Amino acid sequence: DGGITQSPKYLFRKEGQNVTLSCEQNLNHDAMYWYRQDPGQGLRLIYYSQIVNDFQKGDIAEGYSVSREKKESFPLTVTSAQKNPTAFYLCASRTARNTEAFFGQGTRLTVV
Amino acid sequence: AQSVTQLGSHVSVSEGALVLLRCNYSSSVPPYLFWYVQYPNQGLQLLLKYTSAATLVKGINGFEAEFKKSETSFHLTKPSAHMSDAAEYFCAVRISGNTPLVFGKGTRLSVIA
Repeated sequence: DGGITQSPKYLFRKEGQNVTLSCEQNLNHDAMYWYRQDPGQGLRLIYYSQIVNDFQKGDIAEGYSVSREKKESFPLTVTSAQKNPTAFYLCASRTARNTEAFFGQGTRLTVV
Repeated sequence: AQSVTQLGSHVSVSEGALVLLRCNYSSSVPPYLFWYVQYPNQGLQLLLKYTSAATLVKGINGFEAEFKKSETSFHLTKPSAHMSDAAEYFCAVRISGNTPLVFGKGTRLSVIA
């Protein structure tokens, strides 16, 4: 089935460590997005990419990095510079023909 | 700049009662508008979307929303709440082109038996 796969579903990180969240889609979508969700704050945009080898910062990019080497993959690295990384992270994608974005099931990151 | 305001972080209704979740948007150009639903620890699922066709939009699970340009609103309604409607609901806006979706802060809907 076509869709967006985020892995892992739950992730634990020690303070000071970098961690990478995976997002893969087989929908042949051009654009991909990373959002962060915190209780009561809705979804906030971290990074997005409209084509391979290109990406733009969103509203809260500090402490995060991304790459877009393949159309189907858009991994997010949470670096040690991110001071409060515990959150629910959502990946989404969209094709130019569609107005809406499709979402993965999310990764819950906890710093221990 | 575009933005979304959802009035009420938590709404509680009785089973069988009307559901009304409020969303107001700000956009300098005609927007695309969306409602998404999220169940605990899951991703977002599209309920419905407005893309400048009919102003009354019908979605899945009996939900509908009406685009009112004069009020800059896109409120979500359902005539009769069901227990399975308990979830978090997000309103989102996007202007034409390749801009990302901008989300409201969400409204948690509780349904009381």
